[in-house]
Amino acid sequence: EAGVAQSPRYKIIEKRQSVAFWCNPISGHATLYWYQQILGQGPKLLIQFQNNGVVDDSQLPKDRFSAERLKGVDSTLKIQPAKLEDSAVYLCASSLDLQRGAPYEQYFGPGTRLTVT
Amino acid sequence: GQQVMQIPQYQHVQEGEDFTTYCNSSTTLSNIQWYKQRPGGHPVFLIQLVKSGEVKKQKRLTFQFGEAKKNSSLHITATQTTDVGTYFCLGNQFYFGTGTSLTVIP
Repeated sequence: EAGVAQSPRYKIIEKRQSVAFWCNPISGHATLYWYQQILGQGPKLLIQFQNNGVVDDSQLPKDRFSAERLKGVDSTLKIQPAKLEDSAVYLCASSLDLQRGAPYEQYFGPGTRLTVT
Repeated sequence: GQQVMQIPQYQHVQEGEDFTTYCNSSTTLSNIQWYKQRPGGHPVFLIQLVKSGEVKKQKRLTFQFGEAKKNSSLHITATQTTDVGTYFCLGNQFYFGTGTSLTVIP
C-alpha cells in the first residue's frame, strides 16, 4: 500500500513570495489533515477535510493561507505572501472516514520543509 | 482553547533505564492517540485509547488513559537506542501535545 505522498520535500523562498504544497493521501482515506510543525514543537492542525468539505480550519491564518481538496482526493496548501515565521515543516496526513464515529490512526507523509528568508 | 501539555520536554536516559512521559489536557478527551517521531522523520502511530482507565501494552511500552480522561501516560521499560525520538500525544484527533524528546545513551 502506497503511503501519503507530498511534494516538494524542500522549498526555500523569500518573504512575501508565494508557495504551494501538494498532498496525495492514501487511497480510500476520506479524511485529510494539514499540519504545521515548527522546529521543537508538536504539529499544529491547520485544516481538516472530510472528502472535499472542510471540517475544521479554525487555526488556519486565512489572510495568507488557503487550502483546497476539490475532488476529495489530492489537496494543495498555499501561502501568499509568506512571512519569516512560516518557516516550518508542513505535514499532510490522512485517515479513514472520520464520520464513522470511531477515531482512526493518522498516516503522515514525509512533509515539506519550508524556509522563508 | 483546548491545550495538551506534555512533561517532561526532554529526557536523557541510560540504555536499560525506564522512561515515562505524561500528557495532560485542559478538558476531558474522548480519545487519545500516541505517536513517535524519529529525528528528521514524520509522526508514526503507536496506539489509541478511548476508555476511562484503559491500559494497553505493546512489548516494552505501556499506555494508560486516566480515569477522568484528561491525562495519559506512556511508559517504556528498559529503553533501547531504537526508542530515540519524540513522543507526542494527540487528543481528540485535533490537539497534539508539546512532545517529549527522548535520548538514550548507550
